[in-house]
Amino acid sequence: GQQLNQSPQSMFIQEGEDVSMNCTSSSIFNTWLWYKQDPGEGPVLLIALYKAGELTSNGRLTAQFGITRKDSFLNISASIPSDVGIYFCATHGNSGGSNYKLTFGKGTLLTVNP
Amino acid sequence: NAGVMQNPRHLVRRRGQEARLRCSPMKGHSHVYWYRQLPEEGLKFMVYLQKENIIDESGMPKERFSAEFPKEGPSILRIQQVVRGDSAAYFCASSPRGSYNEQFFGPGTRLTVL
Repeated sequence: GQQLNQSPQSMFIQEGEDVSMNCTSSSIFNTWLWYKQDPGEGPVLLIALYKAGELTSNGRLTAQFGITRKDSFLNISASIPSDVGIYFCATHGNSGGSNYKLTFGKGTLLTVNP
Repeated sequence: NAGVMQNPRHLVRRRGQEARLRCSPMKGHSHVYWYRQLPEEGLKFMVYLQKENIIDESGMPKERFSAEFPKEGPSILRIQQVVRGDSAAYFCASSPRGSYNEQFFGPGTRLTVL
């Protein structure tokens, strides 16, 4: 099945620092999604990417859809304590008729020290 | 404009009992998806339903698990004769008719099997 390799597994940073995390796969995808999950809550969609090479921002967050369509990265600039949480990359299934299935990476746990 | 609602938020069951998890999609959404999250893992697709139809249950164990989305009322994920390995967070997501690109997640039900 499709597998997304997300790294790093965890990050511990100081408030104000920039953060970068990425997701890679051996398969080609048509979408890349980035979600954030706060403790005890469900994932919240941060950014959706639909085109190879696309660079999209949402406030202090920037994400890019890799040219090869096999990877994506998420950057967070000037981190603040409320950025704490688990960040997941996700993609839609590629096989015909099953693009509704989201496949998730294992997540990057971000801790921000005030 | 309420989001996806799930209840209960926490459920404790003894081995052999039944667990019933409920999900009310966002207003106007007719597609429901169930995902399971094991500790320190990403979410894994279980089943995709539309009103009164199971579209894809390929991610759901064949034994003991069932799902429905009736014409009226919430979607139900039912787990019969629970075992310890069923302990996980179960998330429901919904999307509007004709669009699965952006699935909005509920807060999840955390099932603990003693």
